[in-house]
Amino acid sequence: EDQVTQSPEALRLQEGESSSLNCSYTVSGLRGLFWYRQDPGKGPEFLFTLYSAGEEKEKERLKATLTKKESFLHITAPKPEDSATYLCAVQAEDDKIIFGKGTRLHILP
Amino acid sequence: GAGVSQSPSNKVTEKGKDVELRCDPISGHTALYWYRQSLGQGLEFLIYFQGNSAPDKSGLPSDRFSAERTGGSVSTLTIQRTQQEDSAVYLCASSPGGLAKTQYFGPGTRLLVL
Repeated sequence: EDQVTQSPEALRLQEGESSSLNCSYTVSGLRGLFWYRQDPGKGPEFLFTLYSAGEEKEKERLKATLTKKESFLHITAPKPEDSATYLCAVQAEDDKIIFGKGTRLHILP
Repeated sequence: GAGVSQSPSNKVTEKGKDVELRCDPISGHTALYWYRQSLGQGLEFLIYFQGNSAPDKSGLPSDRFSAERTGGSVSTLTIQRTQQEDSAVYLCASSPGGLAKTQYFGPGTRLLVL
């Protein structure tokens, strides 16, 4: 069965304290892995798409990496405005998209 | 350009009533998705449209749920005889279609069934 598991469920960091969020997946025929940011009361906002193992993408303080079993979202020197829920999703070969439950990130000033 | 819009933004209804939720996708996007997000849960896939057809309806939780899309654009999700467990945020997303295309989400409709 295709599934996506994100860890940790919640993470509190001090401003400037770098860390990583994990997204483990099992899927038949990965077509793409997506990272989204979701602020309270809003819809998810696209961050990255990764297509194959070894691929990396960066945007400001965020860097996403992909292996055959998992993806990491690395956050370098985070700021309070990076506080949000980060969602991971995978698209399987049948085009079905499966989301994880997200990691709630809180950056303390 | 305009993003995905959804209406209403909030809906309070009584148990047993029918509700219609509307989604206006980004112009030119051929694929449209509906999701449900309950408190503390991930996004639950409901239905996917490619153009006006729905190749995947597997996520609809019961026959009280239906959706249609007309003119390859606007979509309506209808919930009949609402139940309290239907209370959630209903999110719509659109994408250009094709393989592994990014989805762009609307702000959601918050449904509360009393």
